[in-house]
Amino acid sequence: DVKVTQSSRYLVKRTGEKVFLECVQDMDHENMFWYRQDPGLGLRLIYFSYDVKMKEKGDIPEGYSVSREKKERFSLILESASTNQTSMYLCASSFEVTGELFFGEGSRLTVL
Amino acid sequence: RKEVEQDPGPFNVPEGATVAFNCTYSNSASQSFFWYRQDCRKEPKLLMSVYSSGNEDGRFTAQLNRASQYISLLIRDSKLSDSATYLCVVSYKYIFGTGTRLKVLA
Repeated sequence: DVKVTQSSRYLVKRTGEKVFLECVQDMDHENMFWYRQDPGLGLRLIYFSYDVKMKEKGDIPEGYSVSREKKERFSLILESASTNQTSMYLCASSFEVTGELFFGEGSRLTVL
Repeated sequence: RKEVEQDPGPFNVPEGATVAFNCTYSNSASQSFFWYRQDCRKEPKLLMSVYSSGNEDGRFTAQLNRASQYISLLIRDSKLSDSATYLCVVSYKYIFGTGTRLKVLA
């Protein structure tokens, strides 16, 4: 079975802190994605990556950056967390560009 | 206009009913379409892909209408276990709709 693992299920951070969300997949997938999910807004794409060291902006990249130094790992970075970044963050991976997305269980971030 | 739009519902239907959801998309160049299911407090999981000719998987039927730019999901003989949020997805950047909540009532 494909496994996408997100490092933390729940995090509480203070405004201005730097936050790292880690995601690891074990199926040698080329493509990895970071979404945030908010009530009434659905899943919104933050960043995605089609290859190591490659990244593309999604619909809401402001306030976020990403890192993909190894194929299996895709990190989301909040340089200076703000309260409006309180959300559920979902990482996903896929083998083909238009193939099935496999999601991690999500990381619920609260910024105080 | 949003790239992908869905009626948020909720759709409350009795067991055994047939229910249909639509999802409209704005990018006519979109090539791949999917329906995902998300249970409460869980991650989304693929329900089915949507092919140009339409496709069926048991009680579920998905269709694509390129001329009107929408996809649909039909659920026949609804079960209590079908209660979930159904998300449509349009590639190439895997744009998700906001989801339609379905509640099947006993």
